[in-house]
Amino acid sequence: EDQVTQSPEALRLQEGESSSLNCSYTVSGLRGLFWYRQDPGKGPEFLFTLYSAGEEKEKERLKATLTKKESFLHITAPKPEDSATYLCAVPYGQNFVFGPGTRLSVLP
Amino acid sequence: EAGVTQFPSHSVIEKGQTVTLRCDPISGHDNLYWYRRVMGKEIKFLLHFVKESKQDESGMPNNRFLAERTGGTYSTLKVQPAELEDSGVYFCASSQGYGKTQYFGPGTRLLVL
Repeated sequence: EDQVTQSPEALRLQEGESSSLNCSYTVSGLRGLFWYRQDPGKGPEFLFTLYSAGEEKEKERLKATLTKKESFLHITAPKPEDSATYLCAVPYGQNFVFGPGTRLSVLP
Repeated sequence: EAGVTQFPSHSVIEKGQTVTLRCDPISGHDNLYWYRRVMGKEIKFLLHFVKESKQDESGMPNNRFLAERTGGTYSTLKVQPAELEDSGVYFCASSQGYGKTQYFGPGTRLLVL
């Protein structure tokens, strides 16, 4: 089965301190890589889809990039409201395989 | 446009009882998925419907789990009889097509005592 790993497992940042989250995958014939944000007690909320190496997507303080074997979610000048678990997923057959997530805490 | 909805939001039952979870997908989404997250683990696929047909149920843990989607609209996931290890958060998602973005509901938190 294809594997999806994420690092770090948890990350604590001060407000304004930029950083990056990593999602690594082993898959043949990538059909997209999806990033989600999950807040406590809620379902995953869709952020981005990336389809090919070199592609980038941006939304507010977030930018997602994709290479042949991994994706990065860059967070620029984060705010406390960016605190959440960030999940990546890749299609496997007709469903998704999720990574374990990175728990991000942004302290004021 | 309404998102994916799930009912109930929480359920606490005793081992051996039956529980039925419901999912209403986004209107027009033929693809409906069930996932589960148990404590400390990643979200795992259970099964996939296209309209009323089961396309893939390879993730269903055992025959105590029964999913239906009569009429190709809402879906139910029944656990009978429930066991302690069935505790977790059950998510439903829907999409417009194969490999397209999946939109998730808020989940049903199931606790089996």
